[in-house]
Amino acid sequence: AQSVTQPDIHITVSEGASLELRCNYSYGATPYLFWYVQSPGQGLQLLLKYFSGDTLVQGIKGFEAEFKRSQSSFTLRKPSVHWSDAAEYFCAVGGTGGYNKLIFGAGTRLAVHP
Amino acid sequence: EPEVTQTPSHQVTQMGQEVILRCVPISNHLYFYWYRQILGQKVEFLVSFYNNEISEKSEIFDDQFSVERPDGSNFTLKIRSTKLEDSAMYFCASSSGDSKLFFGSGTQLSVL
Repeated sequence: AQSVTQPDIHITVSEGASLELRCNYSYGATPYLFWYVQSPGQGLQLLLKYFSGDTLVQGIKGFEAEFKRSQSSFTLRKPSVHWSDAAEYFCAVGGTGGYNKLIFGAGTRLAVHP
Repeated sequence: EPEVTQTPSHQVTQMGQEVILRCVPISNHLYFYWYRQILGQKVEFLVSFYNNEISEKSEIFDDQFSVERPDGSNFTLKIRSTKLEDSAMYFCASSSGDSKLFFGSGTQLSVL
């Protein structure tokens, strides 16, 4: 079965601290992996994606993610969190090809303390 | 940057009423999607649309739901007879076929 697990429902970090959000997936074929961010009352904004190649991918807003095939994981990181990063973060997996249905994890809500 | 536009941002309706949620995908995109997110739950796939027909639909997308691309720019989701459990945030998304989906800001549907 295709699924995405985000084990942390809520995470709180201090501003300036590093951030790591975990994601594990189950997918029968070669996956495309995504991290989206949702600020309150907003839509889903794509942070970064992994299709193939280098397992460390860079995204917007200083985020990066590491893909580990052996662990079926796609971990999102940021070296220094800003208060504006407080939001909900969703990991998603999809297939290759033109049509791509995404399967989302339940999300991790990030709170940032000043 | 081009974006997916959804209207209205909020929709309140009475149970049993029909609602139409509207979306304007990015202009050169070919693949269109509707997702929904019930409060506190994960984002769920409803339906995908390509070449003027449904590519795939989930179990949620029953006979009460329909999608249409009435012209070259709009993509609509119709719920024929709304139920309380249809209350959710509905997201439209589009893609050019490179597997990268762009999402709109959503329509918050409240069924009373």
